[in-house]
Amino acid sequence: EDQVTQSPEALRLQEGESSSLNCSYTVSGLRGLFWYRQDPGKGPEFLFTLYSAGEEKEKERLKATLTKKESFLHITAPKPEDSATYLCAVYNTDKLIFGTGTRLQVFP
Amino acid sequence: DAGVTQSPTHLIKTRGQHVTLRCSPISGHKSVSWYQQVLGQGPQFIFQYYEKEERGRGNFPDRFSARQFPNYSSELNVNALLLGDSALYLCASSLATGGKSEKLFFGSGTQLSVL
Repeated sequence: EDQVTQSPEALRLQEGESSSLNCSYTVSGLRGLFWYRQDPGKGPEFLFTLYSAGEEKEKERLKATLTKKESFLHITAPKPEDSATYLCAVYNTDKLIFGTGTRLQVFP
Repeated sequence: DAGVTQSPTHLIKTRGQHVTLRCSPISGHKSVSWYQQVLGQGPQFIFQYYEKEERGRGNFPDRFSARQFPNYSSELNVNALLLGDSALYLCASSLATGGKSEKLFFGSGTQLSVL
């Protein structure tokens, strides 16, 4: 059964303190791994799609990487506005299968 | 350009009632999907529609149904509401179905509370 596990559940960082979020997955034939950002009371906002091991994508302070079993979302020198829940998902035929997310809080 | 729009934004119902949630996709998008997100969890897939036909269904009871209209907008209906149906209901649209890069664009959701 396809499954996505994210860790840690919650992460508190000081502004400027870099860290990484983990997404482990098991899927029969990866057709895309997605990262979304979700603010409270809002829908998920698309960040990245990765398709094959070794692929990397960057956007501002965020960098996503992919291996055959997991993906990392690296946050470099975060700012308070980066505070949100970060969701990882894998695409399977007709749907996205999401993890439970990592709730990130960045303090000034 | 307008994103995915959902209505209403908030809704309060009592057990046993019926609810209809509405979604308008991004212009040009022909596929609409519905997800349920319980507090503290990731979104769970309910339905996918493409060109007015159901293309996928998640593990939800028959009380949940949906349809897509000729203008690609969609409705999600839930009958005989239970307390456990309280959640954020998300609609997402995409250009097509079955492709490699099914990037979904989500609306802000409808927050349903069942009392």
